[in-house]
Amino acid sequence: AQTVTQSQPEMSVQEAETVTLSCTYDTSESDYYLFWYKQPPSRQMILVIRQEAYKQQNATENRFSVNFQKAAKSFSLKISDSQLGDAAMYFCAYRSPFLDDKIIFGKGTRLHILP
Amino acid sequence: KAGVTQTPRYLIKTRGQQVTLSCSPISGHRSVSWYQQTPGQGLQFLFEYFSETQRNKGNFPGRFSGRQFSNSRSEMNVSTLELGDSALYLCASSLGTENEKLFFGSGTQLSVL
Repeated sequence: AQTVTQSQPEMSVQEAETVTLSCTYDTSESDYYLFWYKQPPSRQMILVIRQEAYKQQNATENRFSVNFQKAAKSFSLKISDSQLGDAAMYFCAYRSPFLDDKIIFGKGTRLHILP
Repeated sequence: KAGVTQTPRYLIKTRGQQVTLSCSPISGHRSVSWYQQTPGQGLQFLFEYFSETQRNKGNFPGRFSGRQFSNSRSEMNVSTLELGDSALYLCASSLGTENEKLFFGSGTQLSVL
């Protein structure tokens, strides 16, 4: 069975600095999809970035980028120039290419931004 | 476009009661999925409905059930509530393909006393 592990329950970063959140996963599939979702205090989760496993190029969305290491089954999120609004819970998620398979979330990393 | 709407936002019930939560997806979205979020277990998948049919199911007891209507609105029901059912219940909608993003509602915070 697929699993997603986020080993850092909490992290803190100084405003304007860079922080990396870790995520590892386990799967026997060769094709799949990976996501990072952000959950601010409002509770509404928002997609930050996604990566298709067949794409070697790391996804980037403005200040957010990933380091996707397929062989190591690692999918870390880098946030550059951290802003106060980045403070939230971040969830890493895995989804197989089969529509009848469920999406699997990690337990989350709470990110604090220090002014 | 209106976002995903979940009602109610907060709910307090007692053990043994049943509860129904509602989720209205974004217009045009045919997939609605439900998740239970607790501090200890994180976010766990409950089930997904696509065009009124349950497409996926997580590892939850039969007390947790759901359905989807022809307008894609979905309801989740929990019968014989237990203290451990206290959680934030989130629903998400999408068009229904595996690589697309989910749009989440703000959740229903259920407290079981």
